[in-house]
Amino acid sequence: QVQLVQSGAEVKKPGSSVKVSCKASGGTFSSYSFSWVRQAPGQGLEWMGKIVPIFGTTNYARKFQGRVTITADESTSTAYMELSSLKSEDTAVYYCARAFGGNHDFDYWGQGTLVTVSS
Amino acid sequence: QSALTQPRSVSGSPGQSVTISCTGTSSDVGGYNYVSWYQQHPGKAPKLMIYDVTKRPSGVPDRFSGSKSGNTASLTISGLQAEDEADYYCCSYAGSYTLLFGGGTKLTVL
Repeated sequence: QVQLVQSGAEVKKPGSSVKVSCKASGGTFSSYSFSWVRQAPGQGLEWMGKIVPIFGTTNYARKFQGRVTITADESTSTAYMELSSLKSEDTAVYYCARAFGGNHDFDYWGQGTLVTVSS
Repeated sequence: QSALTQPRSVSGSPGQSVTISCTGTSSDVGGYNYVSWYQQHPGKAPKLMIYDVTKRPSGVPDRFSGSKSGNTASLTISGLQAEDEADYYCCSYAGSYTLLFGGGTKLTVL
C-alpha cells in the first residue's frame, strides 16, 4: 500500500536550518510530484512548494522563495524539504503530500513532522 | 498571495446539509477548475474529499459534493453524520504551478 513516511520531530535554534525527509513506498516515485505543506499550531494549511522528481523541477510559494529548498532522490524514493534562517514563527507540523502527474490535488499525505524553533 | 477565504465555522444537526464556501479571485478559484477539498480530524493528516471542483475520490461517500460559481467554490455535505465533524480546507491552483489553501472551516455536528 502507499505510504509516505517522514522523519522525526526536530528542535532547532533560531537562525539555523532544518531538513525533513519523506520516503515514499507503493507506486512509481517518478509518476508523482511531491509538495510540502505546513501547519502552525492551531492554524491552517500552507503550501510551501513542490518538486517533480522526473524533471527535477521545483516551484515555491512566493513567501518561502529563497528560504526553502525541495529536493528528491529517485534512487531512494525520498523527497526532502530544507528550510533555512528559522524563526519562531516556523514552528509547525510539516507534511509531505503526493500528487499524480500534473494533478493539483494530494491523494496521500505523510504523517507530519513537528519542527519546533526555540532558543 | 493571501489565503482563500472560508468561514471560520459552520454547524448542522445530524441528517442536515451544510455548505462551506471558499472565495478567491480570478487568478485562482475563478481562473481554473482545480479546486480540491480536504478533511482534517484533530492530530491527523488531511484527507482528500473532492478534486477538480466536483470529483470524488474512490471511497469518499457521495454525501460530499463540490461546485463552483465565479470566484467561489463550495463543498456541500448532506446527511450530516457525527464523524463528519472536522476541519475542512479548500485548495486552488493559483497559476505558475503554485497552490493556495483556504484558512479552514471548523464543522460542528450538533
